[in-house]
Amino acid sequence: SQTIHQWPATLVQPVGSPLSLECTVEGTSNPNLYWYRQAAGRGLQLLFYSVGIGQISSEVPQNLSASRPQDRQFILSSKKLLLSDSGFYLCAWSGGAMNTEAFFGQGTRLTVV
Amino acid sequence: AQSVTQLDSQVPVFEEAPVELRCNYSSSVSVYLFWYVQYPNQGLQLLLKYLSGSTLVKGINGFEAEFNKSQTSFHLRKPSVHISDTAEYFCAVSDLRNTDKLIFGTGTRLQVFP
Repeated sequence: SQTIHQWPATLVQPVGSPLSLECTVEGTSNPNLYWYRQAAGRGLQLLFYSVGIGQISSEVPQNLSASRPQDRQFILSSKKLLLSDSGFYLCAWSGGAMNTEAFFGQGTRLTVV
Repeated sequence: AQSVTQLDSQVPVFEEAPVELRCNYSSSVSVYLFWYVQYPNQGLQLLLKYLSGSTLVKGINGFEAEFNKSQTSFHLRKPSVHISDTAEYFCAVSDLRNTDKLIFGTGTRLQVFP
């Protein structure tokens, strides 16, 4: 069966520090991969999605970047965190095309101080 | 581009009462529609989805939703809620021309009181 792993679960980082959140999927090949951010009172915002290795689509201009170095690995990064980057980050995967149900990781609570 | 509107940010209800969570979408083409539930500090879990066929869709935990194309709505309902239904509920849409991504609404917080 397919599983998705996202870590760390919680993270407290100072302003200006770098960020790296990792997400890996097991049990499937060539998944669509997504990074969402959930900020208080703002719902679920799509940040990046990827349909293949090295293919990244950015939905919102921001201080973050994403990379997909391997088929089932999706990394969210920042060179210098801002206070506004605080939030709950969710990684997800889907089969794409006719099978667009998304499966979510447990999320990372990022607090920038 | 598609968009999803969840009109109610919070819905308080007493246990065993019926509930409806509203969702409207905007799209120039046909769409797939979804409802997800999020329990505190967890990821999202699929409740139900509409791809085609019958407009009344039944999901897990006794929830159902009805797709109304003319009103571009996909409201979620449950005839009798439990305390354990307290959670955040998200409506989402996927464009049939571009099924590579899901667009979510801002969520509705369902609070069930005893």
